[in-house]
Amino acid sequence: AQTVTQSQPEMSVQEAETVTLSCTYDTSENNYYLFWYKQPPSRQMILVIRQEAYKQQNATENRFSVNFQKAAKSFSLKISDSQLGDTAMYFCAFMKQSNYQLIWGAGTKLIIKP
Amino acid sequence: DGGITQSPKYLFRKEGQNVTLSCEQNLNHDAMYWYRQDPGQGLRLIYYSQIVNDFQKGDIAEGYSVSREKKESFPLTVTSAQKNPTAFYLCASSGGRGTDTQYFGPGTRLTVL
Repeated sequence: AQTVTQSQPEMSVQEAETVTLSCTYDTSENNYYLFWYKQPPSRQMILVIRQEAYKQQNATENRFSVNFQKAAKSFSLKISDSQLGDTAMYFCAFMKQSNYQLIWGAGTKLIIKP
Repeated sequence: DGGITQSPKYLFRKEGQNVTLSCEQNLNHDAMYWYRQDPGQGLRLIYYSQIVNDFQKGDIAEGYSVSREKKESFPLTVTSAQKNPTAFYLCASSGGRGTDTQYFGPGTRLTVL
């Protein structure tokens, strides 16, 4: 069975700093997708970034980028120039290509301090 | 505007009552999903539907029921058989087979009194 582990329950950084959230997963699949979702205090779940496992190039969306290490089964999220609005729970999720079901980590609470 | 709506935002239920949570999408997505979120945990899949008139149980389907009579609607009923229904419920949709990204509604907070 696939599992997703987020080892940092909570992190806090100063505004404008760079922060990296870690995520590891366990699977025997070769074809899959990985996602980072953000859940602010409003509790709306918002897609931050996605990565296809077959792509070696790391995905980037503006200030958000990932470090995808397939052999190590690691999928960390880097937030550059952090902003107060980045304060949220961040969830890492894994999806098998065979059934398109998401497996979720427990989340990391990120606090951006002014 | 295209999106996913859930209603109500807050719902209170007395023990022994069934309640239905609404989820509607106008994204023309084939697949829809219901998740439950408890404090300190990731989301857990309750039910999902890849196509109209078809749905499958997820990891925690006991005490819940769904229907998918229309493409845009996927209501979730929390029955009295669900022993601990107080939670935050999220509905999501995706384009279906071959389309991976799920998009979420704003959620419903259910509290049992």
